[in-house]
Amino acid sequence: SQTIHQWPATLVQPVGSPLSLECTVEGTSNPNLYWYRQAAGRGLQLLFYSVGIGQISSEVPQNLSASRPQDRQFILSSKKLLLSDSGFYLCAWSLGLAGQETQYFGPGTRLLVL
Amino acid sequence: ILNVEQSPQSLHVQEGDSTNFTCSFPSSNFYALHWYRWETAKSPEALFVMTLNGDEKKKGRISATLNTKEGYSYLYIKGSQPEDSATYLCAPEDSNYQLIWGAGTKLIIKP
Repeated sequence: SQTIHQWPATLVQPVGSPLSLECTVEGTSNPNLYWYRQAAGRGLQLLFYSVGIGQISSEVPQNLSASRPQDRQFILSSKKLLLSDSGFYLCAWSLGLAGQETQYFGPGTRLLVL
Repeated sequence: ILNVEQSPQSLHVQEGDSTNFTCSFPSSNFYALHWYRWETAKSPEALFVMTLNGDEKKKGRISATLNTKEGYSYLYIKGSQPEDSATYLCAPEDSNYQLIWGAGTKLIIKP
């Protein structure tokens, strides 16, 4: 069966510090991968998605970047965190971009930037 | 699809009562509609995906309907139980297969 891991679960970082959140998927090959953020009281905002190694699409201009160095690894990064980067970050995977695909979510990382 | 609205934002329901809530979305460029349930301290989990106008899906005590012409979907829960407490998210999918997520309806079941 497929599983998705995210770490760390919680992170408190000072403004201006770098960020690296990691997501890995097991039990499937060539998944589509997604990074979402949920800011307080708001819906899920898609930040990045990837259909393959090295292929990253960014949905919103921001202080963050993503990379996919391996088929089942998706990394969210920042060189300098802003206060507005605080939120709950979810990684998800799906089988393909053929439509109607269910997305399967990881446990999430709660990031607090102080 | 730009504007997805879910109402109400939160809802308190007595255990055993039935309830429903709404997801509204622009009907243009529509491809599918997803419902997810997000329990506290867990990850969002898929409930339904619907595509056709008039579609109705059911899973146990939970069901959903879809009206693509007027741009809304209802989620119904019959005989609410404490384990139904969660945030229910809807996400219309457009013709580019992109999901736009609503802010959710937070359901709290009172024993």
